[in-house]
Amino acid sequence: GAVVSQHPSRVICKSGTSVKIECRSLDFQATTMFWYRQFPKKSLMLMATSNEGSKATYEQGVEKDKFLINHASLTLSTLTVTSAHPEDSSFYICSASLLGLKETQYFGPGTRLLVL
Amino acid sequence: AQSVTQLDSHVSVSEGTPVLLRCNYSSSYSPSLFWYVQHPNKGLQLLLKYTSAATLVKGINGFEAEFKKSETSFHLTKPSAHMSDAAEYFCVVSVSSGTYKYIFGTGTRLKVLA
Repeated sequence: GAVVSQHPSRVICKSGTSVKIECRSLDFQATTMFWYRQFPKKSLMLMATSNEGSKATYEQGVEKDKFLINHASLTLSTLTVTSAHPEDSSFYICSASLLGLKETQYFGPGTRLLVL
Repeated sequence: AQSVTQLDSHVSVSEGTPVLLRCNYSSSYSPSLFWYVQHPNKGLQLLLKYTSAATLVKGINGFEAEFKKSETSFHLTKPSAHMSDAAEYFCVVSVSSGTYKYIFGTGTRLKVLA
């Protein structure tokens, strides 16, 4: 149980285009979903926290207009990287916490984004 | 402020020998602590968690961790390393600020030698 999927697993795009990454909780309803960014050989950096039906809360230094987060249902959150640039290339990981088990997060497999 | 410190960025052990990955935390109240493992280019898998119940926590794949309040530590151990244990390990503390957010340690890369 508590499986989180992400799609796509890997994406290459041209500079200036937008990319959407989906995060789904497959067998549970997620109160909250989180988006992280991980640089090579580094730890995870929390970008934003989203609750179903409300606006995401962004961490300091994360541009909300560049990283659009939509949390349309209790099983789906999307991250759109708008007008992507090479410096946005990274490993993006989402996680979800269960209703009633809020402290524990279950992570997706990650999405590798390469912007050319 | 809450934080976690992973004392070793790299640990190498021989297959079949014990594993010790060290984590110290800082918290103004009783924390919830987690260990996650990340294999190359993969997401994170929960190994175990401490949420104020038993101080010795058993996890998956033979791992366990002991919460020691007096030492503010939550070290991860395994009696006998397997080649498949080679990965990055993260110690995490959960912070409540309306929502429960994670604060990650910097990670420890475990290498297992044949």
